[in-house]
Amino acid sequence: DAGVIQSPRHEVTEMGQEVTLRCKPISGHDYLFWYRQTMMRGLELLIYFNNNVPIDDSGMPEDRFSAKMPNASFSTLKIQPSEPRDSAVYFCASSLFSGSAKNIQYFGAGTRLSVL
Amino acid sequence: GEDVEQSLFLSVREGDSSVINCTYTDSSSTYLYWYKQEPGAGLQLLTYIFSNMDMKQDQRLTVLLNKKDKHLSLRIADTQTGDSAIYFCADNYGQNFVFGPGTRLSVLP
Repeated sequence: DAGVIQSPRHEVTEMGQEVTLRCKPISGHDYLFWYRQTMMRGLELLIYFNNNVPIDDSGMPEDRFSAKMPNASFSTLKIQPSEPRDSAVYFCASSLFSGSAKNIQYFGAGTRLSVL
Repeated sequence: GEDVEQSLFLSVREGDSSVINCTYTDSSSTYLYWYKQEPGAGLQLLTYIFSNMDMKQDQRLTVLLNKKDKHLSLRIADTQTGDSAIYFCADNYGQNFVFGPGTRLSVLP
């Protein structure tokens, strides 16, 4: 498997524009996570899905952020309108529930977002 | 809620051992993990330890767990320049992870 695939790798946009980040999880994985990484706040969990259903979105900063998972192989994170403080690296990760307490998340390479 | 703490920076000379420390608060943790993030990349699982173990060794990596003190450490023997990265300690509850802030390891020639 090619691993978790995110696109684009880099996104530069102007304040007020809509931004859409994309993620393809590892085939067969039933959990998908969106994280944001900044120097100031470290790695923050934004939202996660189980079997395409959003389970916990308490980490989503505000209503400008939305995430969808229309099927098991695709998810999007949308920011509308974008602001300079949204500049960060956004990671998608996926995992497979094995029935044991051990859990391994596999991360994509991330999307570096710069909002000017 | 669960909290995971790490020191933010560590510098070592090439060939020396590196020790990265982590403390956590959840006493019910079953597994604890170390992830590595190289520049421009996502996090990658490095190793993990089951909570009823005190130590786990994997080539140059040694993980020590003191469950009483809720302290986890990662030792890298014979540290190389390729080990320069950010190392994250992580605890999980269910399918969720709580990550520490990450320790940035710099390896000096």
